[in-house]
Amino acid sequence: DAGITQSPRHKVTETGTPVTLRCHQTENHRYMYWYRQDPGHGLRLIHYSYGVKDTDKGEVSDGYSVSRSKTEDFLLTLESATSSQTSVYFCAISGQLYGYTFGSGTRLTVV
Amino acid sequence: GENVEQHPSTLSVQEGDSAVIKCTYSDSASNYFPWYKQELGKGPQLIIDIRSNVGEKKDQRIAVTLNKTAKHFSLHITETQPEDSAVYFCAAMDSNYQLIWGAGTKLIIKP
Repeated sequence: DAGITQSPRHKVTETGTPVTLRCHQTENHRYMYWYRQDPGHGLRLIHYSYGVKDTDKGEVSDGYSVSRSKTEDFLLTLESATSSQTSVYFCAISGQLYGYTFGSGTRLTVV
Repeated sequence: GENVEQHPSTLSVQEGDSAVIKCTYSDSASNYFPWYKQELGKGPQLIIDIRSNVGEKKDQRIAVTLNKTAKHFSLHITETQPEDSAVYFCAAMDSNYQLIWGAGTKLIIKP
């Protein structure tokens, strides 16, 4: 989507390895979010950020950490990937709390 | 906390007919209700939203209605077309300004 890029788009990793997903925006939006999407669960918030170095936990934050050292980048790290973290991960940005713009997603498979 | 339930999980309608997707929420303090459309392989995209001070909002073939007393809101799509086939998500913004999402409705438009 315009203004927001996620990388990589697909990743296969082994159980126990660290994984970092990147979200990059060019909109200078204040708010950034990481969600995971699983069948039957809709979108569940992992972590979010309301400014550089300002982050907070969402409803499914266990096993995940985030960092935001620049306005444009929001990184999601799985410290030690588990099979339960196999999912599609979406980043979203928002300038005014309302009206999120989502990236195209990262499909992560943990084997 | 806020909880959002969405029905049905799958909806199949004939092209040209109308489609209605319903969501209920639990927190009477919620005041913002967006609807997102997700096409295959893409991130969700905002299609319409409504604030709690409004009972209905329309945008061409799409409308959203809100009943605050009953705590439910609905998406109405008229004159459905093949390009309306997608997964639709409702959400409600909780008192912490976080979106709580429904589980999604897969809309199938039959030719």
